[in-house]
Amino acid sequence: GEEVAQTPKHLVRGEGQKAKLYCAPIKGHSYVFWYQQVLKNEFKFLISFQNENVFDETGMPKERFSAKCLPNSPCSLEIQATKLEDSAVYFCASSQSRQEPQHFGDGTRLSIL
Amino acid sequence: DQQVKQNSPSLSVQEGRISILNCDYTNSMFDYFLWYKKYPAEGPTFLISISSIKDKNEDGRFTVFLNKSAKHLSLHIVPSQPGDSAVYFCAASARQYSGGGADGLTFGKGTHLIIQP
Repeated sequence: GEEVAQTPKHLVRGEGQKAKLYCAPIKGHSYVFWYQQVLKNEFKFLISFQNENVFDETGMPKERFSAKCLPNSPCSLEIQATKLEDSAVYFCASSQSRQEPQHFGDGTRLSIL
Repeated sequence: DQQVKQNSPSLSVQEGRISILNCDYTNSMFDYFLWYKKYPAEGPTFLISISSIKDKNEDGRFTVFLNKSAKHLSLHIVPSQPGDSAVYFCAASARQYSGGGADGLTFGKGTHLIIQP
């Protein structure tokens, strides 16, 4: 598609439950990125992919967070045993190449109760 | 330690005038800079970018200036229009140091631009 599509728009989970977020990058884009926006204006880089390969996961809290980008499937970000502090908006972005800017989806708002 | 700083949380400008949004960075390895615009409940929308080999890039009403020695960049919007009211984020990456792969962006905290009629 022409836009980065993120689903669901809003996800509510009880503390300790699992949460799974999805992202379909723009068709033809080889690079996918996940960001977490906690509080209104702070973006934190989590992980990036080059096709299905993880490139940089330095921002990922590895104990509970995992992500995948498999061929012919939406990319996913999964959080096991969610905590209250995981409440945030999670943005996915994609780009065609390193020389091109990242284009963002509208985010998934994750609320942990 | 914030590597990209936008020190003005908000800015109010009259319609038709020039809006100037500022951004400072501390990491000398940053070599690619972008400006994004964000409306509530939407994702950031790419506006304009600049590589560190340039000091100016222009696209329609938007111009970005880069001063590497001062580690400062600015976004100029002229003339400002009501639809420009949004939060503007400055972002940076260190492309030449990332080994040729997918570079995560480091964002500032944003400046809320309000265009007054």
